[in-house]
Amino acid sequence: EIQLQESGPGLVKPSQSLSLTCSVTGYTITSGYDWSWIRKFPGNKMEWMGYISYSGSTNYNPSLKSRISITRDTSKNQFFLQLNSVTTEDTATYYCARRRAPFDYWGQGVMVTVSS
Amino acid sequence: DIQMTQSPPSLSASLGDKVTITCQTSQNINKYIAWYQQKPGKAPRLLIGFTSRLVSGIPSRFSGSGSGRDYSFSISNVESEDIASYYCLQYDNSPFTFGSGTKLEIK
Repeated sequence: EIQLQESGPGLVKPSQSLSLTCSVTGYTITSGYDWSWIRKFPGNKMEWMGYISYSGSTNYNPSLKSRISITRDTSKNQFFLQLNSVTTEDTATYYCARRRAPFDYWGQGVMVTVSS
Repeated sequence: DIQMTQSPPSLSASLGDKVTITCQTSQNINKYIAWYQQKPGKAPRLLIGFTSRLVSGIPSRFSGSGSGRDYSFSISNVESEDIASYYCLQYDNSPFTFGSGTKLEIK
């Protein structure tokens, strides 16, 4: 069974970087598909942030392009999100998901609060 | 970006009712729309892809239809376990965009 699990700090200070890990089991991230980060804001709006493909190429939402980086560690079957210069508006629940057009497997989500 | 206009924001239904949610897109998305169910504290669950393709294991009371810019999602014979929020997603063009969600409550 394919499972994704997010991990990372639940509290980040404004202007700092947010870093999250998605650990994948049951499927090798280099075998196929895209591996995305998606977030849900407190008002329930959902935003696709970007993905890293099975080949390692990336595609980011232009709204975040200057602040986001998605990388991976294939030896650990993990991929990562880094979001720089965060503000309180980045407070959200962050999900990782597999995109097999559309997103079919998701992690449970991790809530991240940006606050001083 | 493709804008998704989802309505209604909330629905109140009786058990056994049929309910319908709509999503209108700002441009033709060639049927690349999916529908998700999300319960509090849980991950979104894919119900339908490519407008009307029911995911394996999803009850047949869930259905989808549409084309071009206009799409709909229905639940026939609403059950108590259907209490959740529902979202549409277009995946025709990057950046992929979601509707604003519909919260289903039982009367």
